Amino acid sequence: DVVLTQTPSTLSATIGQSVSISCRSSQSLLDSAGNTYLYWYLQRPGQSPQLLIYLVSNLGSGVPNRFSGSGSGTDFTLKISGVEAEDLGVYYCMQATHAPFTFGSGTKLEIK
Amino acid sequence: QVQLTESGPGLVHPSETLSLTCTVSGFSLTGYSVYWVRQPSGKGLEWMGRMRYNGDTSYNSALKSRLSISRDTSKNQVFLKMNSLQTDDTGTYYCTRRFDYWGQGVMVTVSS
Repeated sequence: DVVLTQTPSTLSATIGQSVSISCRSSQSLLDSAGNTYLYWYLQRPGQSPQLLIYLVSNLGSGVPNRFSGSGSGTDFTLKISGVEAEDLGVYYCMQATHAPFTFGSGTKLEIK
Repeated sequence: QVQLTESGPGLVHPSETLSLTCTVSGFSLTGYSVYWVRQPSGKGLEWMGRMRYNGDTSYNSALKSRLSISRDTSKNQVFLKMNSLQTDDTGTYYCTRRFDYWGQGVMVTVSS
């Protein structure tokens, strides 16, 4: 199975600060058709996961543009440019290139 | 608008079978795949399996021997059945449309 390693596991930020979360895969997520099925989610306390980014860098519907995704192959990054209070929660990366689809262990974002 | 709603028993006894229903609206099951994801309490996310738009199914190999996913397109419902439940199957179970829209989840406790 593909292992996704997220770092850091916990992140503490002030309002307005920019932060990044890393997601490294144990194997390339580029498929034979040239697609990379890497997603980012935010799970707020008591809620279901919300899609932020799909296919590495595409913004989900209704997601603020302070969120951005980048990367290729095995290394991916989620950046929040100017954290807001509503961004607190746990961030997960997920890959859907190789079955079984797998999730990272999560990064908890706390607001200082 | 797209909606997914999970339903099922909140309590299941050890060794029994879990039966969950995902009722969808705002899209067709013959046009989109539906996935099941679970989250043990306080832990991360695990992909369980999927019902593809064409009726094919695939499962996480770790659960394959216990898991079955089916659907009734006339009722816009996808079903999950998992047998031989144990206490570590306790958690929240989600259905999601191709990982973009998610249901609110259903909490399942396995206890005698």
